[in-house]
Amino acid sequence: AQSVTQPDIHITVSEGASLELRCNYSYGATPYLFWYVQSPGQGLQLLLKYFSGDTLVQGIKGFEAEFKRSQSSFNLRKPSVHWSDAAEYFCAVGANFGNEKLTFGTGTRLTIIP
Amino acid sequence: EPEVTQTPSHQVTQMGQEVILRCVPISNHLYFYWYRQILGQKVEFLVSFYNNEISEKSEIFDDQFSVERPDGSNFTLKIRSTKLEDSAMYFCASSETQGRAGQPQHFGDGTRLSIL
Repeated sequence: AQSVTQPDIHITVSEGASLELRCNYSYGATPYLFWYVQSPGQGLQLLLKYFSGDTLVQGIKGFEAEFKRSQSSFNLRKPSVHWSDAAEYFCAVGANFGNEKLTFGTGTRLTIIP
Repeated sequence: EPEVTQTPSHQVTQMGQEVILRCVPISNHLYFYWYRQILGQKVEFLVSFYNNEISEKSEIFDDQFSVERPDGSNFTLKIRSTKLEDSAMYFCASSETQGRAGQPQHFGDGTRLSIL
């Protein structure tokens, strides 16, 4: 069965600092990997996805993520965070073109300090 | 940009009552899903629906739950006899046609269900 681990429950960074959120997955075949962001009281917005090809994927809002098969990881990065990036971030793994169920990690809550 | 819409945004229901959560998926999407998120916990898959039938369901999706696509635009989740533990945020999602790799699921803003 597929699973996702986000080891950091809560991360605090200063505005303008770089950010890396960790995600490790477990899946028997080539995974489809996603990062979603959830602002308070809001739904889940897709930041980026990986399904094949270039292992460094670019997303919206200046985010990128790198797929590393050898480490079963798909870490999310941003070179310089903005106060508006404060939110909950979820990594998810899917299968079968992404049309089967998504399995989510427990999320990482990001706090930005001035 | 087209989006998934869910109504109502907040539903308060007495325990034991039936509740129907409504979703309008993106118009050219053919795969539909319900997920739930209990407060402070991760998002959990409930059910996926394609070609007018359930394609997969989780162990959470017991006989108290049902889904339906009553017309060409709506997708509903019914809970027959609600329990306190059904209190959660329920998300509807949809994705495009099969065969195009990596088509992501697009989520609505959710319905917060509170069972009293």
